[in-house]
Amino acid sequence: NAGVTQTPKFRVLKTGQSMTLLCAQDMNHEYMYWYRQDPGMGLRLIHYSVGEGTTAKGEVPDGYNVSRLKKQNFLLGLESAAPSQTSVYFCASSKTTGAAEAFFGQGTRLTVV
Amino acid sequence: DQQVKQNSPSLSVQEGRISILNCDYTNSMFDYFLWYKKYPAEGPTFLISISSIKDKNEDGRFTVFLNKSAKHLSLHIVPSQPGDSAVYFCAATWFTGNQFYFGTGTSLTVIP
Repeated sequence: NAGVTQTPKFRVLKTGQSMTLLCAQDMNHEYMYWYRQDPGMGLRLIHYSVGEGTTAKGEVPDGYNVSRLKKQNFLLGLESAAPSQTSVYFCASSKTTGAAEAFFGQGTRLTVV
Repeated sequence: DQQVKQNSPSLSVQEGRISILNCDYTNSMFDYFLWYKKYPAEGPTFLISISSIKDKNEDGRFTVFLNKSAKHLSLHIVPSQPGDSAVYFCAATWFTGNQFYFGTGTSLTVIP
């Protein structure tokens, strides 16, 4: 049972570089989310998707873009990385939000120098 | 504006004693609440949840209490074990919502 898988686990970027984080889930969940975790800030929602082909902004969307071309995949892109985007990124998925829990990936630690 | 707040960044408890982790929320629309546990270098894992039609939910050593009038929930761990040492996040949503709102987390240390 893979659950939610994030790729890569670690990455170091130079300021201005771009990259894509990949999230894949095998639970046939409709909802997928990208969070970032920073010290003292908890988990903050970047973008989310309520189904294939749909995306929406969360609490901290600036500097990120997302795509959900396939139901099982949710991609997070950084077009021009900045040091403020140094963080741990978590992808999650859920059947719904109302009465079901979200399942998280293991995280991606990104450092922008 | 933080809609879900965990005002205690850390908590230390002796093994075998009770751990009580607290969470407050401001949005009266929230009607479903969850607790997650997170170990270092791992993703959060679901622990226990409660809907607003209940004021208590138990699962083994873990009990969540909800006080809707005070907009407050708490997680009780009895008895606490060293393996419970982790960061605990509370989260909230509503049945027709489309996202979860997380608190900032409480780091629990259970001392053997």
